[in-house]
Amino acid sequence: AQSVSQHNHHVILSEAASLELGCNYSYGGTVNLFWYVQYPGQHLQLLLKYFSGDPLVKGIKGFEAEFIKSKFSFNLRKPSVQWSDTAEYFCAVKGSGNTGKLIFGQGTTLQVKP
Amino acid sequence: DAGVIQSPRHEVTEMGQEVTLRCKPISGHDYLFWYRQTMMRGLELLIYFNNNVPIDDSGMPEDRFSAKMPNASFSTLKIQPSEPRDSAVYFCASSLVVGQRNTEAFFGQGTRLTVV
Repeated sequence: AQSVSQHNHHVILSEAASLELGCNYSYGGTVNLFWYVQYPGQHLQLLLKYFSGDPLVKGIKGFEAEFIKSKFSFNLRKPSVQWSDTAEYFCAVKGSGNTGKLIFGQGTTLQVKP
Repeated sequence: DAGVIQSPRHEVTEMGQEVTLRCKPISGHDYLFWYRQTMMRGLELLIYFNNNVPIDDSGMPEDRFSAKMPNASFSTLKIQPSEPRDSAVYFCASSLVVGQRNTEAFFGQGTRLTVV
């Protein structure tokens, strides 16, 4: 069955610290991978996405993620977080093309202390 | 395009009442998803449609929940009768598949449902 697992439920960092949020998925075929961010009281917005090609994907606001197929992972990274990065982060996976459903991990709440 | 539009933004209703949530996907998108978000369970996929046809409704919690997509520009999620445990934020999202390539899903602002 298709599933997504995010390892960290709640992360607290100080400004300028580096960030890495873990995401592992389970799916038998070719996948499309996404990271979304949800700021307090808002809807989900796309941070970055992976379809194919270079496994290191760069997104908005200095975020990047690396797809490691052998580990079924798509971890999100940012070298230096800001207070404004405080939000909830969701990893999502969908089977490529017309297969598979778009499902999300449990989410990771990031709190950045000024 | 105005994006995915959901209505109402907020709904407060009494237990036992029927609730209908509405969604207008982005024009041209062929996938539509309904999600429910709660603190306890996170973001759950309830049902999704492809070209107006329900593909997977295994996430619909009970028979009290039903969803329809009568045309490419409109979908409804209905709860009848509603219960306090249905209180959550309900998100609609749409996406497009071109060949083997998915676009990302674009989310609406959500409907915050409170059942008292």
